[in-house]
Amino acid sequence: DVVMTQSPLSLPVTLGQSASISCSSSQSLVYSDGDIYVSWFHQRPGQSPRRLIYKVSNRASGVPDRFSGSGSGTDFTLKISRVEAEDVGVYYCMQATHWPFTFGPGTKVEI
Amino acid sequence: DVQLVESGGGLVQPGGSLRLSCAASGFSFSDYWMSWVRQAPGKGPEWVALIKVDGTESWYVDSVKGRFTISRDNAKNSLFLQMNSLRAEDTAVYYCAWPVRLLHYWGQGTPVTVSS
Repeated sequence: DVVMTQSPLSLPVTLGQSASISCSSSQSLVYSDGDIYVSWFHQRPGQSPRRLIYKVSNRASGVPDRFSGSGSGTDFTLKISRVEAEDVGVYYCMQATHWPFTFGPGTKVEI
Repeated sequence: DVQLVESGGGLVQPGGSLRLSCAASGFSFSDYWMSWVRQAPGKGPEWVALIKVDGTESWYVDSVKGRFTISRDNAKNSLFLQMNSLRAEDTAVYYCAWPVRLLHYWGQGTPVTVSS
């Protein structure tokens, strides 16, 4: 199975500042169609995960442009610029290239 | 608007069975693969199973193979997960999610607790 590793696992942030979360995969995530199926999700306590970024760098509908994704091969990054109070919670990366699709362990973002 | 509404969760003894359902609306259900994802307490999400548009092909994570069966009824826009021989480690919130490789939409989840 593809192992997704995230760092850091805990991230204290300051309102208005930027924050970055890294995600690494144990193998290349390029699918046969040429796309890289890496997504990022945000989850608040008691809520379902909410999609932020798909296929590495595409911002999902309704997601503020403060969120951006980048990366290639086996290394990916989620950047939050100008952190707001509503951004607290756990962030997960996920690969959907190789079955079983797998999630990272999560990064807890706290103010 | 896309809606995914799960039901059927509850408390079950080890070795017992449950059948989860997901009612989908707001998209052409019969045109898409569908999936179940679960999340154990305090843990990250974990994929459980996928099913092809016509139900003829399904994929499972190793930990549930031979115990869980995913199925669908395209006429009723419904997805199912039959869970047999349940174990304590199957305790989780079970989500129906779509589309399969992107997971733009999740239901609210239905909790399953396996305990004596």
